[in-house]
Amino acid sequence: AQSVTQLDSQVPVFEEAPVELRCNYSSSVSVYLFWYVQYPNQGLQLLLKYLSGSTLVKGINGFEAEFNKSQTSFHLRKPSVHISDTAEYFCAVGRTSGTYKYIFGTGTRLKVLA
Amino acid sequence: GAGVSQSPSNKVTEKGKDVELRCDPISGHTALYWYRQSLGQGLEFLIYFQGNSAPDKSGLPSDRFSAERTGGSVSTLTIQRTQQEDSAVYLCASSGGLGETQYFGPGTRLLVL
Repeated sequence: AQSVTQLDSQVPVFEEAPVELRCNYSSSVSVYLFWYVQYPNQGLQLLLKYLSGSTLVKGINGFEAEFNKSQTSFHLRKPSVHISDTAEYFCAVGRTSGTYKYIFGTGTRLKVLA
Repeated sequence: GAGVSQSPSNKVTEKGKDVELRCDPISGHTALYWYRQSLGQGLEFLIYFQGNSAPDKSGLPSDRFSAERTGGSVSTLTIQRTQQEDSAVYLCASSGGLGETQYFGPGTRLLVL
């Protein structure tokens, strides 16, 4: 079975500073990896996803993530954050075959400070 | 449709009552998911439907929870004999296939008094 760990429940960062939100997963089979974002009082939307190919994935709003198979990680990064990036970020993992089930992490609340 | 819709948006009920939550997925999406979001708990998988296959009910927390999907479209999540610990936001999502983006509805906020 798959599992996802988001070690940081909250990450405060100053505006224009870089940020990294960590995601580690566990799976005995090949996986798809996703980051979703939930802005205050809004629904979840896809930020980016890794299906195959290049391990560096670029998403919306200047975010990117790197799939590292050896470290079973899929950390999310942004070189310079804005106040509007304040939101909750969820990492999710799913198998590439056999099931449509996805496992989500507990989320990381990013707070961008002025 | 324009997106995934859910109704009601808010539901307040008394302990012991049954509730039904509805989800209208994006037209043409074969996969439909139900999740529960509680404070500090992230998204908890409940159940998914894919096409005509048997649903994966492995995430349903107890036999008080059940769901059905009629005609491969609309889905209803039913919670019988609600308990206070059932209070949460229930999210529905749909997607077009394996590895495809899940599109989430706005959720139903359930409060059990």
